[in-house]
Amino acid sequence: DVKVTQSSRYLVKRTGEKVFLECVQDMDHENMFWYRQDPGLGLRLIYFSYDVKMKEKGDIPEGYSVSREKKERFSLILESASTNQTSMYLCASSLPLGQGNGYTFGSGTRLTVV
Amino acid sequence: ELKVEQNPLFLSMQEGKNYTIYCNYSTTSDRLYWYRQDPGKSLESLFVLLSNGAVKQEGRLMASLDTKARLSTLHITAAVHDLSATYFCAVEPSKGNEKLTFGTGTRLTIIP
Repeated sequence: DVKVTQSSRYLVKRTGEKVFLECVQDMDHENMFWYRQDPGLGLRLIYFSYDVKMKEKGDIPEGYSVSREKKERFSLILESASTNQTSMYLCASSLPLGQGNGYTFGSGTRLTVV
Repeated sequence: ELKVEQNPLFLSMQEGKNYTIYCNYSTTSDRLYWYRQDPGKSLESLFVLLSNGAVKQEGRLMASLDTKARLSTLHITAAVHDLSATYFCAVEPSKGNEKLTFGTGTRLTIIP
């Protein structure tokens, strides 16, 4: 069964900490994405990557960075966590669009910053 | 810029009734996806619609795509409680970037 695995389902961190959210896919997908989801705001794209070592800013990249050193792994980094980054974070991966597969999502990480 | 609108945003319906969720989008696209999200969970793929006139059905849900009207519908027949969830449509651009554009989601609540 193909999978996108996010390392933590729930995470509690303190303000100012550096936080790493990890996402691994086993489908050999080129594209990987990080979204955050907040009530009433839908899905908002933070960063995405089309290939190893490539990254592109999404709609709300401020306060975040990413790393993609290997094709299967896409990490989201909160450089200095703040309470307004408390959210559900969703990782997704896909083949290049045009192949009719859409995204496969991970199970999500609910991050609370205190 | 591709914009995707879903309506309604919230839908409360009785068991046994039929209803339709609408997904309109602003630019040319031949591919559209529907996802389901249960409370506190992630999104799972429901339907993949790849051409004009495409229709997919699973159980009490049926999705269709009209690319000329830039409209997809998700029809619920004889709703049951376990269909309560948030449903998202997502549109793939015809060309250019590699990102899907998601609708805002429709929170569906089925009342006994």
